Parts: sequence; structure tokens; C-alpha cells
Amino acid sequence: GAGVSQSPRYKVAKRGQDVALRCDPISGHVSLFWYQQALGQGPEFLTYFQNEAQLDKSGLPSDRFFAERPEGSVSTLKIQRTQQEDSAVYLCASSSILAGAMSGSYNEQFFGPGTRLTVL
Amino acid sequence: RKEVEQDPGPFNVPEGATVAFNCTYSNSASQSFFWYRQDCRKEPKLLMSVYSSGNEDGRFTAQLNRASQYISLLIRDSKLSDSATYLCVVRYQKVTFGTGTKLQVIP
Repeated sequence: GAGVSQSPRYKVAKRGQDVALRCDPISGHVSLFWYQQALGQGPEFLTYFQNEAQLDKSGLPSDRFFAERPEGSVSTLKIQRTQQEDSAVYLCASSSILAGAMSGSYNEQFFGPGTRLTVL
Repeated sequence: RKEVEQDPGPFNVPEGATVAFNCTYSNSASQSFFWYRQDCRKEPKLLMSVYSSGNEDGRFTAQLNRASQYISLLIRDSKLSDSATYLCVVRYQKVTFGTGTKLQVIP
């Protein structure tokens, strides 16, 4: 079966440009997560969805970052007016029901290949 | 203090060696613990969960010490294919990743 897919795989943006990163989770997975991974660092949590509801966005670094999952499947992470410090790999992960942040149990998070964003 | 801390390494070990990584966490209420593996320019993948009683999966052994707030990963008989970054993951409400420990197994 298909895993988590992300597009584009690579994105080069000029400083000040808006970008949109797409995540297609595993079919049927209720929970979806976005992470930011800078070079040499571990993934940093950005935001979490359960179906279409964004239950936690505490990790979004500024109001230039916005995520949505309007139909509870595909998600888009949008970054407005990109800055050089936004350069990183953006990872999406999904997991099945009762997963992740807001439940008492944990189901494995399956990661997509990431989008490598470079802001010039 | 960071929520999850790891020695970034790199740990350079010869094939066949035994190597151990530790990871400390700051929140004593943390509920779940995991080791993920991340190959260069690839996504993280779950290696194993860490249970209070300790658990083993082939050459890999994971242990949890709640009193001292650390988890460990032991790899026996290292293979070249074990070369990767090993990410410690701790969960309290949400999942927090460590910065990872880089392992390089040398022929």
C-alpha cells in the first residue's frame, strides 16, 4: 500500500515568497502531524490534526505559518513571506486512530519523505 | 534544559562492536518512549518502543530508567547497515524528538 507522500520534494524560494507544501497521509489515518527538521537536528513538532480539526498548533514558529486539512485527508502547510531561517526539511507523518498527542495511547507515526525547502 | 537530550556523536565503531546510546528527558510525567532510526536524507522510521521492563529485538536492546529519566539503546554485533542517526523520542501529550545520535559503522 502507499505510504505518506509529500510534494514537492524540493522547493527553492526567494526570500519573501509564499510557499505551499502538500502532504498525502496513509489512507484512513486519522492523525496527521507536521514537523520541521533543520540540518543536524531532530524533527521539531509544528502542528497536529485529528481528522480536519487542528488540535495543536503550538509548534508553529510564527503567524507566517499556517496549516490546514479541510477534508480530513490531504494537508497543506503554507509559509508566507519566507525567511532564510525557514530553510529546513518539512516532514509530515500520519498515524491511525487513537494516535499521538491527544490520546492515552500511541500508534506509530509513519513519515513521508519530506519537502526540502531552501530560502535564498 | 532541553526536553530530550542526546549526544550527537558521531560514534565511529568497527563492524561487530557493541555500542550504546543514552538519552535523557526532563519531564518526569513522560508516558512513552521510542527509538527511531533516520538514514541520511531519509525520513525517520520507528526502530522500537521502550518499555519499563526493557525489551529486545534481535541485536537491539532498549531500556528505560524512570528514576534517572533516561533511556538507552544497545546495538550488538554492529553491521555496516546500522550506520544511521538514532533519534530518541519521548511522549507526554505530544511527541518530542531528540537531536539524534549519529552512528557510523566502519568495515
